[in-house]
Amino acid sequence: DTAVSQTPKYLVTQMGNDKSIKCEQNLGHDTMYWYKQDSKKFLKIMFSYNNKELIINETVPNRFSPKSPDKAHLNLHINSLELGDSAVYFCASSQEAGLGGSYEQYFGPGTRLTVT
Amino acid sequence: KQEVTQIPAALSVPEGENLVLNCSFTDSAIYNLQWFRQDPGKGLTSLLLIQSSQREQTSGRLNASLDKSSGRSTLYIAASQPGDSATYLCAVRLGYSTLTFGKGTMLLVSP
Repeated sequence: DTAVSQTPKYLVTQMGNDKSIKCEQNLGHDTMYWYKQDSKKFLKIMFSYNNKELIINETVPNRFSPKSPDKAHLNLHINSLELGDSAVYFCASSQEAGLGGSYEQYFGPGTRLTVT
Repeated sequence: KQEVTQIPAALSVPEGENLVLNCSFTDSAIYNLQWFRQDPGKGLTSLLLIQSSQREQTSGRLNASLDKSSGRSTLYIAASQPGDSATYLCAVRLGYSTLTFGKGTMLLVSP
């Protein structure tokens, strides 16, 4: 009964490849996010989706393309992977609207991406 | 641009001590502040959420305070235990939805 789940947990790939990370939340939340944690453990927002619509897109290379097929899923596709993309990617969700909106963000376990 | 600073960067204490972790932010117009715990190789666990209108929140041995006007929050951990060893992250929400994180305080509680 994991609240926010991500697959895969580990991803090792070569430069130039294209890869995807999947995220699912079963909390019924209306907003989902992707964060990147670099080698210095600093967490930074990449994207925010509300009800399947892109709300926030920080200065992220356009090789990164999020896709939200429905409210419960937000996948991250990365084209032409580079060494600098190596990091841990976290998915998160929150409830933003309505009486039940607490705005508290819940995080998935992370996907450790290693580009060689 | 919002900046979040956490002091100290690392802290080592013997079991049983009470301790305080500090978080400061540059833009006081925050919506809320959230404290997280991150264990090595794991995801983030939300500990406490303080809305901008609140002064503090408590959960078990944890107490978080917020002074919005001075741009500060503290996380107080009472009677620390080895199981409290982790990195503690402070994050503030400015505007719609996204969080700005500090770099964390790495806590080690020795038996």
